[in-house]
Amino acid sequence: DAGVTQSPTHLIKTRGQQVTLRCSPKSGHDTVSWYQQALGQGPQFIFQYYEEEERQRGNFPDRFSGHQFPNYSSELNVNALLLGDSALYLCASSPDGGLDSPLHFGNGTRLTVT
Amino acid sequence: RKEVEQDPGPFNVPEGATVAFNCTYSNSASQSFFWYRQDCRKEPKLLMSVYSSGNEDGRFTAQLNRASQYISLLIRDSKLSDSATYLCVVRGRNQFYFGTGTSLTVIP
Repeated sequence: DAGVTQSPTHLIKTRGQQVTLRCSPKSGHDTVSWYQQALGQGPQFIFQYYEEEERQRGNFPDRFSGHQFPNYSSELNVNALLLGDSALYLCASSPDGGLDSPLHFGNGTRLTVT
Repeated sequence: RKEVEQDPGPFNVPEGATVAFNCTYSNSASQSFFWYRQDCRKEPKLLMSVYSSGNEDGRFTAQLNRASQYISLLIRDSKLSDSATYLCVVRGRNQFYFGTGTSLTVIP
């Protein structure tokens, strides 16, 4: 039973560039959420995708955008990268509904912006 | 005010000690509650869900007090392998809110 998979594991970009991160949810899960985790902080919610639509969004600028595909996999795109975008980006999946269902995380993508 | 607040620690305890972490949440309509464990530079992993009646999993006991909007995690007989950051997580309608995490180091 494959868990949540993310790619790439590490990425180095320069300011102003654009980046795309990818995520495949755990088998049987149809909801994908993206989080940003800066060093020493808890994960911060970016947005959630369900049925190929952004269902909810956290307090992140429009430079952060995403997509969900019919197979439930998802992408996170960040445009015009800033130094402050350097962080661990976590993808998490869950089955929709089920108020008690926890999140299952991927290994994350560590993004460094120089 | 933050949705979820935790004491960041760090907590440094000897092997065999009992340690307790606390967490408060601001939204009384919150629906589900969890503790996650995160090792250095790794992803968070579910430790346990938290139920109003309290629940136990081996050396770990979680409690929820909805009236006080308070969640706790008790670790008994601490092991070196328990060293990690413990994240308190609260689920609202469509979003999970994370605390900043409490750092635990178990010392030989």
